[in-house]
Amino acid sequence: DTEVTQTPKHLVMGMTNKKSLKCEQHMGHRAMYWYKQKAKKPPELMFVYSYEKLSINESVPSRFSPECPNSSLLNLHLHALQPEDSALYLCASSQGPADTDTQYFGPGTRLTVL
Amino acid sequence: AQSVTQPDIHITVSEGASLELRCNYSYGATPYLFWYVQSPGQGLQLLLKYFSGDTLVQGIKGFEAEFKRSQSSFNLRKPSVHWSDAAEYFCAVGAGSGGSYIPTFGRGTSLIVHP
Repeated sequence: DTEVTQTPKHLVMGMTNKKSLKCEQHMGHRAMYWYKQKAKKPPELMFVYSYEKLSINESVPSRFSPECPNSSLLNLHLHALQPEDSALYLCASSQGPADTDTQYFGPGTRLTVL
Repeated sequence: AQSVTQPDIHITVSEGASLELRCNYSYGATPYLFWYVQSPGQGLQLLLKYFSGDTLVQGIKGFEAEFKRSQSSFNLRKPSVHWSDAAEYFCAVGAGSGGSYIPTFGRGTSLIVHP
């Protein structure tokens, strides 16, 4: 099974809402990632979790809060977002954090902030 | 810091024609290079990767890429394009950072396939 699942598929939220995105993998991978992708642009790395610890935070605003409850699950908590945060949010995982490890991507959550 | 350049924003080919998508990278050491494909509204799927060894790499869906160190290039090729290949293609270079893998993506090339 080489699947990374993400829920929900689509999310519409107001600027005062609190919501969460969920990502799950059952491949035994120990590194997980959140990316943000705007239309017609490449993915931008947001966070990297390595062995359930946050190892990289690419200067993402605090209105985005990642959480890794266990090795299979990765959440992204959203609060007080801005319309410019509307994007496709992609989760990925890899065997480990080594630079030779292939990343497997989920289908993404399409987020719209009104 | 590493960087990736995909000089073509759009490429249009006829179905059955050959394809080459260009990718140039900048990285001080031996690069780890990847090509990903993304269909509309979907996540990224790895087509192939190069770490070392044979400079001609075979991937899925009939794609191949050739690493040319002298030209800092890693171009993607397919001998005969199918309509289902229409998608966005991203070249990426990977580098370790404190033990974590940090990919840098090119801006992408949109492939349009005419019947």
